[in-house]
Amino acid sequence: DVKVTQSSRYLVKRTGEKVFLECVQDMDHENMFWYRQDPGLGLRLIYFSYDVKMKEKGDIPEGYSVSREKKERFSLILESASTNQTSMYLCASSQTRYEQYFGPGTRLTVT
Amino acid sequence: SQQGEEDPQALSIQEGENATMNCSYKTSINNLQWYRQNSGRGLVHLILIRSNEREKHSGRLRVTLDTSKKSSSLLITASRAADTASYFCATADTGGFKTIFGAGTRLFVKA
Repeated sequence: DVKVTQSSRYLVKRTGEKVFLECVQDMDHENMFWYRQDPGLGLRLIYFSYDVKMKEKGDIPEGYSVSREKKERFSLILESASTNQTSMYLCASSQTRYEQYFGPGTRLTVT
Repeated sequence: SQQGEEDPQALSIQEGENATMNCSYKTSINNLQWYRQNSGRGLVHLILIRSNEREKHSGRLRVTLDTSKKSSSLLITASRAADTASYFCATADTGGFKTIFGAGTRLFVKA
């Protein structure tokens, strides 16, 4: 079974802090994605990566950056956390453009 | 930009009844996928239908796709309490790797 793990299930940070969300997949997938999920808005793509050290902006990249130094790990960075970044963050991986495998999510609260 | 839009936003039925959820999208697609999300968890891929397919079955799931109307439906037959979850449609465009998710339908199956 494909396993996608995220470093934390729940996280509370203060405004202005730098926040790192880590995602690791164990199936040697080429593609990895970061989404945020907010009520009524579904999943919105923040960034994705189709290869090591490659990244592409999604629909809402402002205030975020990513890092992919190794194939299995994709990190989402909030440079200076703000309250409007309080959300559920979901990481996913895929080998093709089809089925994505999701992690359990990190619920981030910024106070 | 949001591609898929599910209808209804919420659905409550009795165990044993069928549940139908609809999805509309805006642009040309390579395929359409349905995912399930149990409360507070990551998404799980249910079924994929390609743009040249009209209907697909998987167990108690039946998906239809009408590319002329840019719409899809997901039918869950003989629903169970364990089917209680949010269901999302997602479309992959004919180009790259981006998959766009709708806002989801919340299904509640009463025992």
